[in-house]
Amino acid sequence: GENVEQHPSTLSVQEGDSAVIKCTYSDSASNYFPWYKQELGKRPQLIIDIRSNVGEKKDQRIAVTLNKTAKHFSLHITETQPEDSAVYFCAASVRWDQKVTFGTGTKLQVIP
Amino acid sequence: GAVVSQHPSWVICKSGTSVKIECRSLDFQATTMFWYRQFPKQSLMLMATSNEGSKATYEQGVEKDKFLINHASLTLSTLTVTSAHPEDSSFYICSAHLDREETQYFGPGTRLLVL
Repeated sequence: GENVEQHPSTLSVQEGDSAVIKCTYSDSASNYFPWYKQELGKRPQLIIDIRSNVGEKKDQRIAVTLNKTAKHFSLHITETQPEDSAVYFCAASVRWDQKVTFGTGTKLQVIP
Repeated sequence: GAVVSQHPSWVICKSGTSVKIECRSLDFQATTMFWYRQFPKQSLMLMATSNEGSKATYEQGVEKDKFLINHASLTLSTLTVTSAHPEDSSFYICSAHLDREETQYFGPGTRLLVL
């Protein structure tokens, strides 16, 4: 089955700096890569996703890149704000409506 | 966006009892729902895929006789933890996919504590 690894497990940045989280996956059949933000005790919230037919996608301060050949994808958050502090999960799936395999999570702390 | 609800939001029960958790898609129909479990400071682990009108598909290592899943309608899936034990204490989260948006929405989760 699919295995998703995520690094780093914790990340502290100063407000205004950028944050980068990296993930690798094992199943070459995976084509859908969502990223979720989870605040303590809350549900995961989809923040951005990318499909295998594109290499990069951007939404305001958030961008994702995908390298299918190397089986890795990354999340970039620019101009970080304290409200960006949360746990971020990468994930992989064959399709958007299929089961999702989550990475191990990254706890991001943005220091004011 | 679409809304997925869960009930109850938290439950405390005695060891040996059974607990039912409901997952509802409030404004859309979901032929498939997924059940995840999340232990403290860990990732979400898929337990099973719930299919409307048919048997659920369980992930390896998940006991189907202990975690009963019923998806009786297009808007409701239930997870019953039978003969619960303290090690079943966890955060249980469901998700459902919305065709028109090509994305999955998660429920708010149910925190189970087994004493």
